[in-house]
Amino acid sequence: AQKVTQAQTEISVVEKEDVTLDCVYETRDTTYYLFWYKQPPSGELVFLIRRNSFDEQNEISGRYSWNFQKSTSSFNFTITASQVVDSAVYFCALSEALGSSNTGKLIFGQGTTLQVKP
Amino acid sequence: DAEITQSPRHKITETGRQVTLACHQTWNHNNMFWYRQDLGHGLRLIHYSYGVQDTNKGEVSDGYSVSRSNTEDLPLTLESAASSQTSVYFCASSESGTGGRDTQYFGPGTRLTVL
Repeated sequence: AQKVTQAQTEISVVEKEDVTLDCVYETRDTTYYLFWYKQPPSGELVFLIRRNSFDEQNEISGRYSWNFQKSTSSFNFTITASQVVDSAVYFCALSEALGSSNTGKLIFGQGTTLQVKP
Repeated sequence: DAEITQSPRHKITETGRQVTLACHQTWNHNNMFWYRQDLGHGLRLIHYSYGVQDTNKGEVSDGYSVSRSNTEDLPLTLESAASSQTSVYFCASSESGTGGRDTQYFGPGTRLTVL
């Protein structure tokens, strides 16, 4: 069965520190998609990135970067020079892509709460 | 701008009452999803739809129902509200039903309390 594990329940850092949020997934599919969402204190879910299983290139967007390693089934998220506005709950999610169970539904990890202190 | 809205944003109801949560999207997306968010469980899928007249059960569908009469709306009904259904409910939509590649965009959420 598909599963997403975010082992870090809570992380606290001081502003300007770098922080990495871990995400490990399990799937039997050869084609799948991975996502990161941010949930700030206001409660909405904000899409950050989508990655397909055939693209293992790392991606950088400003202070955000993502490291996808298929060999270890991990899709980790790093925030460089963290800011107070980065304080949020971050969710990693997996989408099924092929086979009879192809639903497009998202399987979420339990989330990591990041607190960035000034 | 296209968006996805949910109403009400907050709702308090009593055990046994029927409750309907509204979800409306103007993206013209085929797919719509309902999730609930609880501490320690992340988000779990309740029901989903790939288009008009199509509905499917998700991981935690017991006690919930949906209907899809048009592209824009997927209302979620709690047939007889229970305290265990106290949660935050999120609606989401995505463009197409195949491949799992399409990004889901979420509404602002509805906080439901069942007393």
